[in-house]
Amino acid sequence: EVQLVESGGGLIQPGGSLRLSCAASGFTVSDNYMSWVRQAPGKGLEWVSVIYSGGSTYYADSVKGRFTISRDNSKNTLYLQMNSLRAEDTAVYYCARGILTKWELLEKWGQGTLVTVSS
Amino acid sequence: EIVMTQSPATLSVSPGERATLSCRASQRVSSDLAWYQQKPGQAPRLLIYGASTRATGIPARFSGSGSGTEFTLTISSLQSEDFAVYYCQQYNNWPPELTFGGGTKVEIK
Repeated sequence: EVQLVESGGGLIQPGGSLRLSCAASGFTVSDNYMSWVRQAPGKGLEWVSVIYSGGSTYYADSVKGRFTISRDNSKNTLYLQMNSLRAEDTAVYYCARGILTKWELLEKWGQGTLVTVSS
Repeated sequence: EIVMTQSPATLSVSPGERATLSCRASQRVSSDLAWYQQKPGQAPRLLIYGASTRATGIPARFSGSGSGTEFTLTISSLQSEDFAVYYCQQYNNWPPELTFGGGTKVEIK
């Protein structure tokens, strides 16, 4: 069964750093397009970042230079390193897998992990 | 940046009735438009892509139409499990970027 399980969220002070993990099972992360999407409390969806199967990475302007997406093939896990966190980064963060040929079509999602940036 | 605008923000519909949701793009996105459903406390689920193609396992009562800048999601006969928030998403960008609409909440009338 295909499954994505996020972890690593929590309460962090502004300016701090956090690393989110997304453990995958039932498929190989490195063979797929993997994205992070976030949702602020009571708000809509915001795409954050994608890593292609070939390793290319792209980011939303709102997180460029602060967040880094990566993967560990040996652990079949996706990561999101978040630095210089701001209050507006507070959200549930979802990892999602794209359809094999279209990274943009997010067909499988994790349950999300909540990040709260507050002093 | 392509801005996606959904209307209405809330749609009150009785079970068994038809629901029509709209999504407008600030510039042409061809048919690079997807729809997602999100229920409270759950992750989104992909319903429609390519403006009109149902994703795997999605019931036929869900249909999508449109191209360019104007898109519609129609739920032909609302079931109890269809009351949720629906988001449109465009993917006609380079460099890669996804943008979502603000969502339409379909609630029980």
